[in-house]
Amino acid sequence: EEQLVESGGGLVQPGGSLRLSCSASGFTFSGYWMTWVRQAPGKGLEWVGDIKQDGSDRHYVDSVKGRFTISRDNAKNSLYLQMNSLRAEDTAVYYCAKEVGATIGPYYYYYIDVWGKGTTVTVSS
Amino acid sequence: DIQMTQSPSSLSASVGDRVTITCRASQGITNSLAWYQQKPGKAPELLLYAASRLRSGVPSRFSGSGSGTDYTLTISSLQPEDIATYYCQQYYSIPRIFGQGTNLEIK
Repeated sequence: EEQLVESGGGLVQPGGSLRLSCSASGFTFSGYWMTWVRQAPGKGLEWVGDIKQDGSDRHYVDSVKGRFTISRDNAKNSLYLQMNSLRAEDTAVYYCAKEVGATIGPYYYYYIDVWGKGTTVTVSS
Repeated sequence: DIQMTQSPSSLSASVGDRVTITCRASQGITNSLAWYQQKPGKAPELLLYAASRLRSGVPSRFSGSGSGTDYTLTISSLQPEDIATYYCQQYYSIPRIFGQGTNLEIK
């Protein structure tokens, strides 16, 4: 069974740092783009960013650029989210997710097919 | 950035009703759209990808359609277990924006 388990969430003061981890099992981790998605309390889903299979390409939503860094260790089947200069608006459940793609006709379609259960980050003094 | 406008934001329907949720992109996204279902306190789950492809194991009462900028998720006959919030997500460009969500309740 494909599984993702996040850890590392907690309470942190504004301006502080936190590192989230995501442990993958049940699939060939090194073969997939991986994603972080967050959800503020009572709000919708927000895509945070993703990272290519070998870590050579990463993308971020504007609101976290320069503060968050996504990395991975394929030998450990692990994904990471380093969060610096945290703000109250970063308070959310953070989900680790696996991206897959499907070729249909001339196009290649990406989507998330596996989600972790999430880890909660609270930024407050 | 491509913006995704999802409607309605909330919806109340009876068991057996046909339910439709729409997502409009600010520019064409060539069917690069996925739909997710999120039940309270749980992680989202994939329902459909490429706008209309049903994920294996998802009940056939769920279907998707659309093209260009306008996409639709339809539940043909609402069941009690379908109570959830539904999100669309575009995968055409970075950032991979989600719609605002549709909270579906039973009447």
